[in-house]
Formats: sequence, C-alpha cells, structure tokens
Amino acid sequence: AQSVTQLDSHVSVSEGTPVLLRCNYSSSYSPSLFWYVQHPNKGLQLLLKYTSAATLVKGINGFEAEFKKSETSFHLTKPSAHMSDAAEYFCVVSEGTGRRALTFGSGTRLQVQP
Amino acid sequence: GAGVSQSPSNKVTEKGKDVELRCDPISGHTALYWYRQSLGQGLEFLIYFQGNSAPDKSGLPSDRFSAERTGGSVSTLTIQRTQQEDSAVYLCASSLSFQSYEQYFGPGTRLTVT
Repeated sequence: AQSVTQLDSHVSVSEGTPVLLRCNYSSSYSPSLFWYVQHPNKGLQLLLKYTSAATLVKGINGFEAEFKKSETSFHLTKPSAHMSDAAEYFCVVSEGTGRRALTFGSGTRLQVQP
Repeated sequence: GAGVSQSPSNKVTEKGKDVELRCDPISGHTALYWYRQSLGQGLEFLIYFQGNSAPDKSGLPSDRFSAERTGGSVSTLTIQRTQQEDSAVYLCASSLSFQSYEQYFGPGTRLTVT
C-alpha cells in the first residue's frame, strides 16, 4: 500500500522569501513521486515528477524537489515566492507497477503575503 | 493542443436522481482515470481504463457508481440514485499509456446533490 502525508495543511510566506512544502511518503515498491498544483477554479497541473532518475528534480515556475529515500521525503522548495504561487499543492505517489493510479496527499494551501 | 475536457462543468441534481458526467481525453491517450475531490475525503481514485482491458474499478465507493469508455476514447461516469455525500468535484485524467507517469487532468465537474 502507498500513502502520502503532507505535514502542513497551510503555509504562509512573504513574497520574495523561500517556500518549503513538506511531504513524506510510504510505498511498498519503488515509488514515483509528483507535485501537482491547483489554482482556484483551475485544473490540476503537474509541477514536477521523480521517477528514479536524478534525486533532485526541477519543475516549472522555479520549483524543485529532492527525493530522500532514507527520510522517505519529497519536499517541495522554491527560493523566492511570487504572488502567483498562491494555490493548493498536492504531493502524490504512484507505485512503480500496475495501473499507476495516483494517491494524493491532503494538500497544502500556500498563501503569499505582499 | 486540446487538453482533457469534461462536461458539464457544474451539475446540480436532486437526491435520488441519476447523473452522467462526461470526459474527453487527449487524443491518442490510451489510459483514462476518474478521481473525486471532496471536502471530507480529499482527492481519491475511482476507476481506471487502459485500452481494451477490463477497467480497474477498485476505487468506486459503491455499486451506484459505474463508468464506461466507448471506442477507447470518451468516458462517461454514471451515478445512480445520487446521495448528498456524492457532492464533490469529479476529475478526469488521461495519460499516453498505463506505463506513462504523467497524467493530464481536466477542469472537473462540480456535482451538487440537494
């Protein structure tokens, strides 16, 4: 069985400061891990993905995440927050076999203050 | 190119009525997924289609829920005898194949059962 825990339901940062959204996973197999973003009234958009290649993954809009197997973590970071980053972020796991259905974390709402 | 489309975007129905939700995947994508996003349950997998294989229905919450995919393209999710707890946003996603990690999501259908 696979699962994802997002450690913060809500994160608030000031514009221009770093962003850290935390995610821990549990998986019986070699997992594939993703971060998706959902802006208000918009569809889910893939930010980045880890599929057993490089452990440091770069995504769109300056986001990156590091896969740490020893810590079972896949935290999302960005050096400098922008107002347009305000959204809901989902950490997602897919096991390496079978149907690739995604298991979503509960989400972290990122608020960016001016 | 065209993304995943879903219709209707919003649906309000009375308790006990049947509803049909439609998903048009990206052309050429053989894998299609349905998910549900609700306040109490977060984002959860419902059903998965891959080509002509039997669908994986393991996520369907009850036998009131069913789905079909005609001609390997368009999919319809049907909910019979709707209940208030069925109120949620129903999301459809498609991917190139079941081996592809990247799923592309539609904008969703917001279902409200009164």
